[in-house]
Amino acid sequence: GAGVSQSPSNKVTEKGKDVELRCDPISGHTALYWYRQSLGQGLEFLIYFQGNSAPDKSGLPSDRFSAERTGGSVSTLTIQRTQQEDSAVYLCASSLDGGSNQPQHFGDGTRLSIL
Amino acid sequence: QKEVEQDPGPLSVPEGAIVSLNCTYSNSAFQYFMWYRQYSRKGPELLMYTYSSGNKEDGRFTAQVDKSSKYISLFIRDSQPSDSATYLCAMSAFSGNQFYFGTGTSLTVIP
Repeated sequence: GAGVSQSPSNKVTEKGKDVELRCDPISGHTALYWYRQSLGQGLEFLIYFQGNSAPDKSGLPSDRFSAERTGGSVSTLTIQRTQQEDSAVYLCASSLDGGSNQPQHFGDGTRLSIL
Repeated sequence: QKEVEQDPGPLSVPEGAIVSLNCTYSNSAFQYFMWYRQYSRKGPELLMYTYSSGNKEDGRFTAQVDKSSKYISLFIRDSQPSDSATYLCAMSAFSGNQFYFGTGTSLTVIP
C-alpha cells in the first residue's frame, strides 16, 4: 500500500511480557516518528529517526522502551516488562525528510492492552 | 502552560452547520500549522497544511492562522455526518524536528 503500515493492529498481553510493534513507513520517506496516544491525551512523542543520524530518543518514558530502524526503512518499537500504564495506542508516522515543514503521515496504530 | 491548547469538546452540530475548531499556542516560533482528522480506531489523517499567517481553502474546509494572536482555526462548511471525528491541530517551528499536537476536539454532526 501507499500509506504507513503498522502491525499488529491490536495486541493484548499480560503484565511483565515484552512486546514488539512494527512500522513500515511510506516508501521514500526518510523520517520516522513514534507517538503514544492515550484516551483524552494528546500525542506523546516517543522517538524520531532521520536517515542515518542518531535517533532522538528524548521522549522515551523509561528504559523499558527502545526502538530501532533497520536499513532506514522498517522500525520496531519494543516495550520490555510491560506495565498496565503502557496500555495505549502506539502511532507511527513518516515524513519526506524530517524537516519541520514536512507534515507527518500516520499509520492506523497498534492498540496495546496490558492485562 | 502547554505549548498547544485545544478545547476537547465534545462538539455536536446539526448537518449543514458551519463548524469552527480552534487552537491557541504559546510559542511565537511556530511557522507551520496542520489540521488532522482522526476517525475512531484510525490514525490521524492530514487535512490541511499552512505556512505562516493567512487563509487556505480546500473544498468545504478553510484553515486560518493568526500569528499575532497565536490562534489557528479550521472551518467546516456544510458539515456532513461523515465529518464526525476528532480533529487535532499540530504545529512546528522553522527549525528542529519537534511537532506539537493539540489534544483534539471531538465533533459529531447529527443527520
